[in-house]
Amino acid sequence: QQQVKQSPQSLIVQKGGISIINCAYENTAFDYFPWYQQFPGKGPALLIAIRPDVSEKKEGRFTISFNKSAKQFSLHIMDSQPGDSATYFCAAMVETSGSRLTFGEGTQLTVNP
Amino acid sequence: ETGVTQTPRHLVMGMTNKKSLKCEQHLGHNAMYWYKQSAKKPLELMFVYNFKEQTENNSVPSRFSPECPNSSHLFLHLHTLQPEDSALYLCASSQALAGGVDFGPGTRLTVT
Repeated sequence: QQQVKQSPQSLIVQKGGISIINCAYENTAFDYFPWYQQFPGKGPALLIAIRPDVSEKKEGRFTISFNKSAKQFSLHIMDSQPGDSATYFCAAMVETSGSRLTFGEGTQLTVNP
Repeated sequence: ETGVTQTPRHLVMGMTNKKSLKCEQHLGHNAMYWYKQSAKKPLELMFVYNFKEQTENNSVPSRFSPECPNSSHLFLHLHTLQPEDSALYLCASSQALAGGVDFGPGTRLTVT
């Protein structure tokens, strides 16, 4: 059973635009929601993460919006750049049970110059 | 070396071969993991080790055999694999009960 559903599978954005990737989860026990960025030939790297005590977290051009009642969270990339072109994974876990991340299927982002 | 390192980066093996993947973390973490990444599928957690003790085996076939001699090193021993086992195998580490994990660059495995 897929516990974290991610959309879209692929996304093409023009340079300077806003990229939005959405995730929905089922397990209400999840209490930590990271986003990972993966470039070709590299392992995923932690980009930004949020816990459900806040509805939004911003780090530079990257923002996570979190809606606990809807069990959804999203990644917004402002002023998208060609260097942001990568695959993005959302994930969720129950921190008290250890770092067992459940990942979404991934979104391949392409930012055109 | 910093972070999580994996060797080899690429491996081609026949179905009757025996090979091992190696992972080392330089972060002082207590937990280590093996993940499998296949095209068009979410990352799949295979094994979890916490303080060298295996705490999770997610129904992984016995042709994959993990070994964790200490908190910094993790191996994945492979034998009689199938072509569908071809994938990117990622090692990761974390502080036990902490948030996200740090991934290595992965080993691209091709089974012929």
